[in-house]
Amino acid sequence: NAGVTQTPKFQVLKTGQSMTLQCAQDMNHEYMSWYRQDPGMGLRLIHYSVGAGITDQGEVPNGYNVSRSTTEDFPLRLLSAAPSQTSVYFCASGRGPGEKLFFGSGTQLSVL
Amino acid sequence: RKEVEQDPGPFNVPEGATVAFNCTYSNSASQSFFWYRQDCRKEPKLLMSVYSSGNEDGRFTAQLNRASQYISLLIRDSKLSDSATYLCVVNGRSFQKLVFGTGTRLLVSP
Repeated sequence: NAGVTQTPKFQVLKTGQSMTLQCAQDMNHEYMSWYRQDPGMGLRLIHYSVGAGITDQGEVPNGYNVSRSTTEDFPLRLLSAAPSQTSVYFCASGRGPGEKLFFGSGTQLSVL
Repeated sequence: RKEVEQDPGPFNVPEGATVAFNCTYSNSASQSFFWYRQDCRKEPKLLMSVYSSGNEDGRFTAQLNRASQYISLLIRDSKLSDSATYLCVVNGRSFQKLVFGTGTRLLVSP
């Protein structure tokens, strides 16, 4: 049972570099989301999607792009990495909005 | 006011103790409530959903108080393995988004 798969687990970037965090789920969930977790801040929603072709912004969307071309995949793109984007990133999916979420194992990102 | 608020703790309890956490939420129209457990910056894992009538899962009991807008989690007979951070989750002002509290840290000692 793969569930939600995130890659990579660790990444170090230099300021200004771009990269894509991958997220895939095999549970046929319509709802997918990206959170970041920083010490003392809890999990904050970056972007979410309620189905293929539909995305919307969360609490902290600036500096991130998403797309949802298939039900399974929901990549998160950092266009020009900044030190403020150093964080742990979690992808999560659920059957629908407001339903319980299942999380990937996270990506530890450091931007130097 | 934050949408979801929790006491960060830590709560230090001995094995076998009973411990309770509360979590307050600001959106009186919220319909979805959950408790998650998170270990050492690993991914959060669902502990239990919280239903209007309250619900129990083994040593864990969750309650919802809509009038006072809080949910609670009671852990009986604490085990060393219960040491973790417990996250309160509620759907916020936008029902499409689940909002996480910052978590309550529990430390169970021998």
